[in-house]
Amino acid sequence: RKEVEQDPGPFNVPEGATVAFNCTYSNSASQSFFWYRQDCRKEPKLLMSVYSSGNEDGRFTAQLNRASQYISLLIRDSKLSDSATYLCVVNTDTGRRALTFGSGTRLQVQP
Amino acid sequence: DGGITQSPKYLFRKEGQNVTLSCEQNLNHDAMYWYRQDPGQGLRLIYYSQIVNDFQKGDIAEGYSVSREKKESFPLTVTSAQKNPTAFYLCASGVREIQPQHFGDGTRLSIL
Repeated sequence: RKEVEQDPGPFNVPEGATVAFNCTYSNSASQSFFWYRQDCRKEPKLLMSVYSSGNEDGRFTAQLNRASQYISLLIRDSKLSDSATYLCVVNTDTGRRALTFGSGTRLQVQP
Repeated sequence: DGGITQSPKYLFRKEGQNVTLSCEQNLNHDAMYWYRQDPGQGLRLIYYSQIVNDFQKGDIAEGYSVSREKKESFPLTVTSAQKNPTAFYLCASGVREIQPQHFGDGTRLSIL
């Protein structure tokens, strides 16, 4: 089982739609969770951290479910500019002192 | 402006040649990382360093080498032992391993 798993997509949605991505992680001791966004042929950029109580940043909402070991990202009122690959990132706490990146979920917002 | 600078943006390697990718940060971060990304794939960790003069292998260290002589700098050498070096190489830095990482804008390496 991969340490961090995401549905690769693509998710094709119309502008204005609400879309949600899930990500599962294997290590129950993981402490830190993030969503990154990566545009085609660019570097990943931090979108938001994910907190235990859930958190929101404008149209983006992140949730953490420790019992089921998954995190989610909800995007409301999708814009064309939201088209990108969304990477789930977890500190998997396996003795390796580095974050583990999921392979990403590709989102394509269509006019 | 604080940030991470990778150079060059594009690099071409000949057979049997070693090449070095530069990564410099002025964020005063202790931790630095190197990743490789192949087309349509996720990021794979090559090497990381949590402190000056110390570094650890990641998942795909074979054919690569690094040094960390200064806090600001973490160069990656792609040796001739790396038989399939064509990829997008990303350098990142962070305060510590449970904090988010910030990335440079990458180096694209190709074989001549």
